Amino acid sequence: GDSVTQMEGPVTLSEEAFLTINCTYTATGYPSLFWYVQYPGEGLQLLLKATKADDKGSNKGFEATYRKETTSFHLEKGSVQVSDSAVYFCALSDQGSGYALNFGKGTSLLVTP
Amino acid sequence: EAGVAQSPRYKIIEKRQSVAFWCNPISGHATLYWYQQILGQGPKLLIQFQNNGVVDDSQLPKDRFSAERLKGVDSTLKIQPAKLEDSAVYLCASSGGGAYGYTFGSGTRLTVV
Repeated sequence: GDSVTQMEGPVTLSEEAFLTINCTYTATGYPSLFWYVQYPGEGLQLLLKATKADDKGSNKGFEATYRKETTSFHLEKGSVQVSDSAVYFCALSDQGSGYALNFGKGTSLLVTP
Repeated sequence: EAGVAQSPRYKIIEKRQSVAFWCNPISGHATLYWYQQILGQGPKLLIQFQNNGVVDDSQLPKDRFSAERLKGVDSTLKIQPAKLEDSAVYLCASSGGGAYGYTFGSGTRLTVV
C-alpha cells in the first residue's frame, strides 16, 4: 500500500540556517503530496502541496518539489526562524485510498537563537 | 467559513470506561475522516465517510471503536471500553472531494488512566 517515509528527528538548527527535511513516498497511482505543520499546542495546518510531477509547492518561505523520478518531496527553507520550531508531517493522498491523507511519522524541528 | 468543530477539547477517563467524540464538518463537505494521533507519531486514519456511507474502516479497531455519520453531516466516534493505549488526539477532518481542501478540526485529546 501507499506509504510515506520521513527523516528521523529531532532536527536542531541555529536561526538563519538552511533546512532540509527529507520525504520519500511509495504509491501505486499518481498521488498528491503535502506538507503539514503542527506548532506546539496547536492543530495540523497545511503548509504546502503539489498535485503532479515537477510541481513546486511554496508557502512562508518553505518549498518542496514533487519529484516522480526519485519519489521524493523534500521540504526546504533557506533561512529558518525560531518561530519555525514545530513538527512537520509529509503526507500523500490518491484516488486508490479514497483521497484519505496518509501521513509520515513527523519530523520535529527546533530552531535556536 | 466556519471550520471543522470538534468536542470535547479534552477528556480524561479511566480504562474500561466509554467515551464519545463529536465532529461537525464544514458545510457541504461530503467526505469526513477520523484520525488517531498518538504522541510522537503521525495521524493514522481510523475511518472515512462519504456522505453517510463508510468508504474505509480497515484500521478501525471494531471490537471497541465505532463511528457513525447520521444524515451525512455530523459524526460521532465512540470507544467502549477504553484502553490505556487509546490515549491520543482524535482528529476530525472534512473535504469537499478529491485531493483538495482538507480541513482539520482542533482535535480531542483523550487521556485514559
